[in-house]
Amino acid sequence: DQQVKQNSPSLSVQEGRISILNCDYTNSMFDYFLWYKKYPAEGPTFLISISSIKDKNEDGRFTVFLNKSAKHLSLHIVPSQPGDSAVYFCEGIKAAGNKLTFGGGTRVLVKP
Amino acid sequence: GAVVSQHPSRVICKSGTSVKIECRSLDFQATTMFWYRQFPKQSLMLMATSNEGSKATYEQGVEKDKFLINHASLTLSTLTVTSAHPEDSSFYICSARDFQVRNQPQHFGDGTRLSIL
Repeated sequence: DQQVKQNSPSLSVQEGRISILNCDYTNSMFDYFLWYKKYPAEGPTFLISISSIKDKNEDGRFTVFLNKSAKHLSLHIVPSQPGDSAVYFCEGIKAAGNKLTFGGGTRVLVKP
Repeated sequence: GAVVSQHPSRVICKSGTSVKIECRSLDFQATTMFWYRQFPKQSLMLMATSNEGSKATYEQGVEKDKFLINHASLTLSTLTVTSAHPEDSSFYICSARDFQVRNQPQHFGDGTRLSIL
């Protein structure tokens, strides 16, 4: 029962353009969502988060949008830079419990 | 910020050897830690959830006798790959979250590259 899904395994975008990464979830009990970024041979690092009571959170070039009715969230990176080339994971957190609900990741390639 | 230290970063050993990987939370108490495995060009696969003072919870398809997890303290979890074989070669990553603080992200170690000859 995969409660968080990233249906696009990869994304290629030109430098300077917008990267849009998508994440769908099935459990309405999540109260927080997080995005992580992972470079090869390293552990993921936390990137940005959003509370379920909000529909947008922005941090520099990164913006996360949450559409609760569609159970969908997206991460926008604009403008995309070659250093953004990495694998991105989304995660849903419930207030109670410690079970992981982690998406399968989307590999982003930003072409110079 | 919270830091998770994973050691060693790389191991090369002969088939049949048992290998222990340590994961430490350096500035917070981690009642729960997670162990992942990553194959080349593939996503992170959650192997098990390590609970302090109790048995680990393994994901379906992960052999608990092969991958021994111990979480004896609030800051240390270990993964032992027993009698390792070439097919166990992979990149192993641990993470921890401070569940006492609401909505905290996972803090990941830098991973261990295990190569079995």
